[in-house]
Amino acid sequence: DAGVIQSPRHEVTEMGQEVTLRCKPISGHNSLFWYRQTMMRGLELLIYFNNNVPIDDSGMPEDRFSAKMPNASFSTLKIQPSEPRDSAVYFCASRDVTRTDPLYGYTFGSGTRLTVV
Amino acid sequence: GQQLNQSPQSMFIQEGEDVSMNCTSSSIFNTWLWYKQDPGEGPVLLIALYKAGELTSNGRLTAQFGITRKDSFLNISASIPSDVGIYFCAGTGNQFYFGTGTSLTVIP
Repeated sequence: DAGVIQSPRHEVTEMGQEVTLRCKPISGHNSLFWYRQTMMRGLELLIYFNNNVPIDDSGMPEDRFSAKMPNASFSTLKIQPSEPRDSAVYFCASRDVTRTDPLYGYTFGSGTRLTVV
Repeated sequence: GQQLNQSPQSMFIQEGEDVSMNCTSSSIFNTWLWYKQDPGEGPVLLIALYKAGELTSNGRLTAQFGITRKDSFLNISASIPSDVGIYFCAGTGNQFYFGTGTSLTVIP
């Protein structure tokens, strides 16, 4: 089991550029979550999908952020245009929602550290 | 969204000392989880608690699910340098809600 795979690990971009973060969930997991982590705000849930369908995107900060999950094995989080205040670590996590025992799910990727200059 | 309050925010302790941290919420949760995040990595699950009053151990870690279902505690005994990291609590109801984190530094 390769775990949740995120790419890239680090991204440095100029303000105004488009940024795309990628996530491959654990095979068989049917729920996927995007989080943002900053020193000031901790871990914030941005959006989550069940069976590739967006369920709750109330955490997405503004229209510049969008997320897609075209199939069960891939999701993207896009920021367009990026701003310096978007600098953070973005985590993807996946889970098998059919299992009630949390020990069987909610595995995090290693994150993408985004710096917007 | 919902946020859980953790305390203390940070701790600096000597190797060998015991550590205690807690997490409180204004809402009731069905499950409490504790995660550890190493520098540059994502959080990793340490302990899960399923019912009020439950006390669970995992090696040197002990966690308790508060009777009111609104809080949880994590203790680490005889700390070692590799315990350094950020510890997060999480409560689950319809969603996962994460705590604000406790940063632990262990001084050799």
